[in-house]
Amino acid sequence: EIVLTQTPLFSPVTLGQPASISCRSSQSLVHSAGNTYLTWLHQRPGQPPRLLIYQISNRFSGVPDRFSGSGAGTDFTLRISRVEAEDVGVYYCMQTTQSPYTFGQGTKLEIK
Amino acid sequence: QLVESGGGLVQPGGSRRLSCAASGFSFSFYYMDWVRQAPGKGLEWVGLIRHNAEGHTTEYAASVKGRFTISRDDSKSSLYLQMNSLKTEDTAVYFCVRENWHFDLWGRGALVTVSS
Repeated sequence: EIVLTQTPLFSPVTLGQPASISCRSSQSLVHSAGNTYLTWLHQRPGQPPRLLIYQISNRFSGVPDRFSGSGAGTDFTLRISRVEAEDVGVYYCMQTTQSPYTFGQGTKLEIK
Repeated sequence: QLVESGGGLVQPGGSRRLSCAASGFSFSFYYMDWVRQAPGKGLEWVGLIRHNAEGHTTEYAASVKGRFTISRDDSKSSLYLQMNSLKTEDTAVYFCVRENWHFDLWGRGALVTVSS
C-alpha cells in the first residue's frame, strides 16, 4: 500500500499571505501508462471534499488560479498564492495510481 | 449529482445497504467509488467498481474486504454498498464518488453509526 505523508498537519496563515502543503509518497506515483495520478482535495467543515488539482498540476473546473500544484515522482506540493477566508478547511492529497487508493492525513488550514 | 441514502443506526454484527443515485452524467461510462470518513478523522477509500467494459469488477480496501460488496445498476444510474458484519469502527460518513482517474464528483454522504 502506498503511504502519503503530508506536512504540515496544521497551517495557520495570515489572509493574503501564501501557503504551501507538501505530500510525500512512499513510492513513485508514476502509472505504467505514464501519467501521475496525484490529486489535491479541499474539505470545508460539514461539506464533502471537492477536487482542486488533478494529475499533479491541473486545476479542476472553477478552481481559482491562486491554487497551483507541482512535483514529480514521490514529492508534491500544493501552493496557495494568497490565502482567502474561503480557503479554510482541510486539504488532502490522494493517489489513484495504484489500488488500494490512499489519502494523506490531511492538513488543516486556519486563518491567524 | 450524486445522492446517497440508507444511512442510520445499526448494531454491531448487523448489515446495512447504502444506495447512491446519480444524475446529470452518463453513469455507465464511469468507475464509481465509495470513500468513508469516521467522525473527526480523515478520508479512507473503501472500494471501487469498474464500468461494464471492464466487467463491473471490484476492488476493496483490506479493512472491508470480505464484509462489504459494491454493486451497480447502470439501468437505474445507481451504485450500492452492501455492508455486512459491521463493527463499531465502521461508523463513518460514506461518500459516493465518481472516478475519472481522479475523484471529480462527490455526494454529500450518508452517516452510518454502528453501536449497541
